[in-house]
Amino acid sequence: NAGVTQTPKFQVLKTGQSMTLQCAQDMNHEYMSWYRQDPGMGLRLIHYSVGAGITDQGEVPNGYNVSRSTTEDFPLRLLSAAPSQTSVYFCASSYSSHVLYGYTFGSGTRLTVV
Amino acid sequence: RKEVEQDPGPFNVPEGATVAFNCTYSNSASQSFFWYRQDCRKEPKLLMSVYSSGNEDGRFTAQLNRASQYISLLIRDSKLSDSATYLCVVNLNYGGSQGNLIFGKGTKLSVKP
Repeated sequence: NAGVTQTPKFQVLKTGQSMTLQCAQDMNHEYMSWYRQDPGMGLRLIHYSVGAGITDQGEVPNGYNVSRSTTEDFPLRLLSAAPSQTSVYFCASSYSSHVLYGYTFGSGTRLTVV
Repeated sequence: RKEVEQDPGPFNVPEGATVAFNCTYSNSASQSFFWYRQDCRKEPKLLMSVYSSGNEDGRFTAQLNRASQYISLLIRDSKLSDSATYLCVVNLNYGGSQGNLIFGKGTKLSVKP
């Protein structure tokens, strides 16, 4: 049982490049989400999914796309990287979308856009 | 007023001390409250949920004050391993969806020998 696995752990991109951050969970969790964490700010929700085939926008969705074709995987795509997207990205999953269930976070991806 | 506010610290305390963190939230309709712990350059981990009646887990006690719209975390007999950033998390909408969880910026605790 690996929990929530994020790849890569570190990435440097040039402005304008695109890439996909991978997130996979093996806990059969319905709910998955992506957050970004910037210095001096709380975690901010980018996109989330309440089940396969269902996604929705969070607080800061611009510049990012997601899809949920399987229960296990929830990739985050950066369409055209910008320096403002330099951040630490966390994927999180939960048994249910109900808030009584806490999140399990992946170990994060540290992204630098130059 | 910001949605979830925490004192950023750092709180520097000696081993064995008792330390308390407060967190205020702006929306009186908030229904669910949590404390997460985040070690340096690591992911957040759920420490405890906060229930209306207050709850305790070993050295950790969480309290909720709905009238004043704040939650607190008390750590007794601090250990070196308690050094971390503590995140206050609030659900600001009545619906209960995880999509509405709001994270505070965190309070940094440093426990010294």
